[in-house]
Amino acid sequence: DGGITQSPKYLFRKEGQNVTLSCEQNLNHDAMYWYRQDPGQGLRLIYYSQIVNDFQKGDIAEGYSVSREKKESFPLTVTSAQKNPTAFYLCASSMSLQGSNQPQHFGDGTRLSIL
Amino acid sequence: GNSVTQMEGPVTLSEEAFLTINCTYTATGYPSLFWYVQYPGEGLQLLLKATKADDKGSNKGFEATYRKETTSFHLEKGSVQVSDSAVYFCALSKAAGNKLTFGGGTRVLVKP
Repeated sequence: DGGITQSPKYLFRKEGQNVTLSCEQNLNHDAMYWYRQDPGQGLRLIYYSQIVNDFQKGDIAEGYSVSREKKESFPLTVTSAQKNPTAFYLCASSMSLQGSNQPQHFGDGTRLSIL
Repeated sequence: GNSVTQMEGPVTLSEEAFLTINCTYTATGYPSLFWYVQYPGEGLQLLLKATKADDKGSNKGFEATYRKETTSFHLEKGSVQVSDSAVYFCALSKAAGNKLTFGGGTRVLVKP
């Protein structure tokens, strides 16, 4: 079945440590996204990418970095500069960034906690 | 800028009750509107969408109508089940960019 795979499901980070969250899709989608979800709140956009080797900052990009070396992969690194990284991170993809009516497909998320 | 406002939860219902979750939006032009559902510990799943005024999206017994005059996209279901317990998110997307703006989510709890 086609879909989006996020790993790991749970991740723990020590203070001052960078961690990388994996996101892989086999839907042949061009666009990919990373969101952060805090308890009882909606989703906020961290980064998004329309094509390979191109990505743009979302609303809360500070303390995060991404890469898009392959169409199917869009890893997110939470750096030590992110002072409040504890959250649920969701990766999504859509056919493209063009047009507004294409739904985004989501992975099952990674829950990041600070030790 | 764009924004989406949903009624705050939790909403607690008995099985077979009628469910309404209010959603209003602020955006210029004609955004596309979506409802997503999130079950515990999972990602979001698209529930339904509408792309122009007066469109009605429907899926799994849920319905929502795009009301341009009231800038609303309220979600309704006539008879809920325990399995409908989840968090529901209203979202919009503007043309020339498929980025979603989400509401804060509404938690629904259906009791047997």
